[in-house]
Amino acid sequence: AQSVTQLGSHVSVSEGALVLLRCNYSSSVPPYLFWYVQYPNQGLQLLLKYTSAATLVKGINGFEAEFKKSETSFHLTKPSAHMSDAAEYFCAVSEYGNKLVFGAGTILRVKS
Amino acid sequence: DGGITQSPKYLFRKEGQNVTLSCEQNLNHDAMYWYRQDPGQGLRLIYYSQIVNDFQKGDIAEGYSVSREKKESFPLTVTSAQKNPTAFYLCASSPGGWDYEQYFGPGTRLTVT
Repeated sequence: AQSVTQLGSHVSVSEGALVLLRCNYSSSVPPYLFWYVQYPNQGLQLLLKYTSAATLVKGINGFEAEFKKSETSFHLTKPSAHMSDAAEYFCAVSEYGNKLVFGAGTILRVKS
Repeated sequence: DGGITQSPKYLFRKEGQNVTLSCEQNLNHDAMYWYRQDPGQGLRLIYYSQIVNDFQKGDIAEGYSVSREKKESFPLTVTSAQKNPTAFYLCASSPGGWDYEQYFGPGTRLTVT
């Protein structure tokens, strides 16, 4: 059965520093992988999506994620954090034909 | 502008009352979903519908009911049988199956006292 683990419920970085949010998945077949962002009291917005076309996926707002099959990981990175990046981030996985499963989320705090 | 609307933004009810949350989309999407969000638990699927007049239970359907009489509408009723209904409820839609991006509404925060 598919599942998602996000390491670290809270991550704090300084403005301008590297952002690294970790996501590991379990899936019996090549999965579809997603990163969503949620600002307080709002819905989720898609940051990026992996669909096997390329292992390095570029998304909106300067974010990117790399699919590593050997590590079953799909970590989200951004070279330089901005105050506006403060939000909650969700990793999600879907096996073909199966429902989307979300991780518990990681709250990103950006310090000035 | 195309998108998903949920109303109301905040909803307060007394214990024992049924309440219906609205979800409307004008994206012409076939599939619609309801999720419940609690702090530290991510999103949990309540119900989903992949076509009009058809819907399936998700992981936590007990105490909830839905209907899908129109393509653009997917209302969720929280019944008095739901033991812990206070939560943030998110509606989403997508063009097709689970491999498609889901588009989310702004959410409804339900408080039951």
